[in-house]
Amino acid sequence: DSGVTQTPKHLITATGQRVTLRCSPRSGDLSVYWYQQSLDQGLQFLIQYYNGEERAKGNILERFSAQQFPDLHSELNLSSLELGDSALYFCASSDSGRYAGELFFGEGSRLTVL
Amino acid sequence: SQQGEEDPQALSIQEGENATMNCSYKTSINNLQWYRQNSGRGLVHLILIRSNEREKHSGRLRVTLDTSKKSSSLLITASRAADTASYFCATADDKIIFGKGTRLHILP
Repeated sequence: DSGVTQTPKHLITATGQRVTLRCSPRSGDLSVYWYQQSLDQGLQFLIQYYNGEERAKGNILERFSAQQFPDLHSELNLSSLELGDSALYFCASSDSGRYAGELFFGEGSRLTVL
Repeated sequence: SQQGEEDPQALSIQEGENATMNCSYKTSINNLQWYRQNSGRGLVHLILIRSNEREKHSGRLRVTLDTSKKSSSLLITASRAADTASYFCATADDKIIFGKGTRLHILP
C-alpha cells in the first residue's frame, strides 16, 4: 500500500460528460502529480501541484483542470469527454518540491468513455 | 511528450537469467528513476540515481547512468517469475517524465 488513495477506481461515462477524479496523497507529502496512461501514448505527465500551487504543467488539455486543496488532496476535472480520453489516470505524491524524489502512486482511476 | 525511451520494448528471458533494460533521454536531468508496474496497477519506485552518480545497487537491481550519452540501464540479476512486469525509466528535472516502458516476461 503506497498510502495514496484514488477514487473512484472505475468510471464509465458518455461522451460530452464531465467527471472528477480525486486523490489523497501520502500523509506529509506536499506534491501531487497527475498522469494519464493509455495503450498508445504511454504514461503522460499532466500536471503537478506543490502545497496548493501549480508547479509544473505537461500535456494537459484545456478541457482538463486540476487543483490542490488546503488539506492537500487534489482533484482532476475532465470535461467535454471524448472517446480518446478513456485511460487510466494516476495520481502520485512526493515529499519533494522542485526536484522530485521518489513518487508514490495510487492504484489509478480507470475512465471509460462510451 | 516522452523524455525517456526504453529499449527493448519487450523482453522475454528464462528464470534465473539476467535482464537488462536501457533508457535514453534528451535533455538535462536532476535524477533518473526506475519504476515497475504490474499489469494495470500503480507504479512502484525501484531506484533513483542522481545526475552526479554513475552506478547504484539495490538488492538484485543495478542501475547505471551515463550523462554524457544521456542513457541509463537497469539490470535485474537472477530473474524470478515475480519480476514479470513493465519497467519504466523516469527523468526528473522540474517535471518527472516517463518513457513508454519495457515489458519484461520471465519464463519458468
